Amino acid sequence: NAGVMQNPRHLVRRRGQEARLRCSPVKGHSHVYWYRQLPEEGLKFMVYLQKENIIDESGMPKERFSAEFPKEGPSILRIQQVVRGDSAAYFCASSPRPIVGTEAFFGQGTRLTVV
Amino acid sequence: QKEVEQDPGPLSVPEGAIVSLNCTYSNSAFQYFMWYRQYSRKGPELLMYTYSSGNKEDGRFTAQVDKSSKYISLFIRDSQPSDSATYLCAMNKNNAGNMLTFGGGTRLMVKP
Repeated sequence: NAGVMQNPRHLVRRRGQEARLRCSPVKGHSHVYWYRQLPEEGLKFMVYLQKENIIDESGMPKERFSAEFPKEGPSILRIQQVVRGDSAAYFCASSPRPIVGTEAFFGQGTRLTVV
Repeated sequence: QKEVEQDPGPLSVPEGAIVSLNCTYSNSAFQYFMWYRQYSRKGPELLMYTYSSGNKEDGRFTAQVDKSSKYISLFIRDSQPSDSATYLCAMNKNNAGNMLTFGGGTRLMVKP
C-alpha cells in the first residue's frame, strides 16, 4: 500500500556501521509492525509497536537491534554494528488497530546490504 | 518444524491454466488466513482473506481453508503473465495485536 512509506529503499553499510530504517505509517495508523525477509524466504516478524510503546519484540535479536515509534515522527528500526547476516529486506506494516485479519498494509521495504 | 509450510516452487504454468497454491500449518490457534502477492523487489499486497474454514471467491481468485486438515489453498483461474509473482500465505490467531505468521512463499511464473 502506497500509504506506508519506508526510507531509504536501498541502504548499503559496511560491517560495523549502524543502519537506521524509517517507516511512516498510513495517516491515522498507530500500530506498526516490522518484518524481515531473507532472500528466498518469507517474512519473519520482528517487533510490534504502538506510539511510544513496544508491545511485542519477541522476534527481535537480543543484541544490536532496537526499535522505536515516538509520539511524533516515523518508526525507526536501528541496527548497530551491522554484520553480513543482517543483509535482508526489512518491511514495515501499519494498521489502525491491532491486526486481526486484513487491516495491515505493508510498505515497499528497505533493502539493506552489508558489505 | 516451521509453523507454516509452503512449497517454494518455482511453479511454471502456461497462460490460461488453473493454478493451485497451498500451505499447511501446525498451530490450531490460527483463525485468520490471508494470501499476499509480492512482485519482485516490492512489498506484499493483500489478495485474499478468510476467517476460519470455508471458501471465498474474488474474481479469478478463490481461497479455501480446511481447518480440520490445517490446509489452505489459493486457486487462480485463467492465469495471466501478470500473475507471475511470489505468493505468500499468512495467518494469525484470534488475539488482538498478534503478528502475522508467514509461509516461505511460492514463486509462480505464468508463461505467455
